[in-house]
Amino acid sequence: GAVVSQHPSRVICKSGTSVKIECRSLDFQATTMFWYRQFPKQSLMLMATSNEGSKATYEQGVEKDKFLINHASLTLSTLTVTSAHPEDSSFYICSARSAGASGGDEQFFGPGTRLTVL
Amino acid sequence: GNSVTQMEGPVTLSEEAFLTINCTYTATGYPSLFWYVQYPGEGLQLLLKATKADDKGSNKGFEATYRKETTSFHLEKGSVQVSDSAVYFCALRSAGGYNKLIFGAGTRLAVHP
Repeated sequence: GAVVSQHPSRVICKSGTSVKIECRSLDFQATTMFWYRQFPKQSLMLMATSNEGSKATYEQGVEKDKFLINHASLTLSTLTVTSAHPEDSSFYICSARSAGASGGDEQFFGPGTRLTVL
Repeated sequence: GNSVTQMEGPVTLSEEAFLTINCTYTATGYPSLFWYVQYPGEGLQLLLKATKADDKGSNKGFEATYRKETTSFHLEKGSVQVSDSAVYFCALRSAGGYNKLIFGAGTRLAVHP
């Protein structure tokens, strides 16, 4: 199946700093990428949907100025958590939908990034 | 709004036991239903799906039937293996949902030899 990677897998930062998380589709082109947040023992919550070359669409309640999403190419999307605070500590997961017919409409998920803000 | 409820874990079974993980949903219209599995240290993988009522999705010995009358999509496997230990997520995508998936909380399965 298609492979999606995330980098870093784990990051610890100080409060007030910004953190960038990368999501890459390794063997396919992704027209659409999704960013999720997962709290312990809870569901994955969709934060935003990004289409290559256009602005991301954020879910209700997600601050677009705090969670900056860039989808500059068909294989890379980035999520930047700006001025991070301890409450932003969470597990962030991306997924990508293939542009090709072989991928259909399935989403392929990255392994996630654990963010801890001190 | 749309939502998914699945049984809380962890579920602990012995090898070759029968597995059921319950999943019910709330949605308008006719959603597509999915089960995803997350093995330790890996991303979510699609396990099976069903796109209309009475469809049965199956893969790797797992199966689930889309029951519109009970709004359920329970996951079953007749004989689990240690390698099935993982977290299982039920999810729906509403009709016209532009690929937005709504997930349940996940159920951790631990299978012991």
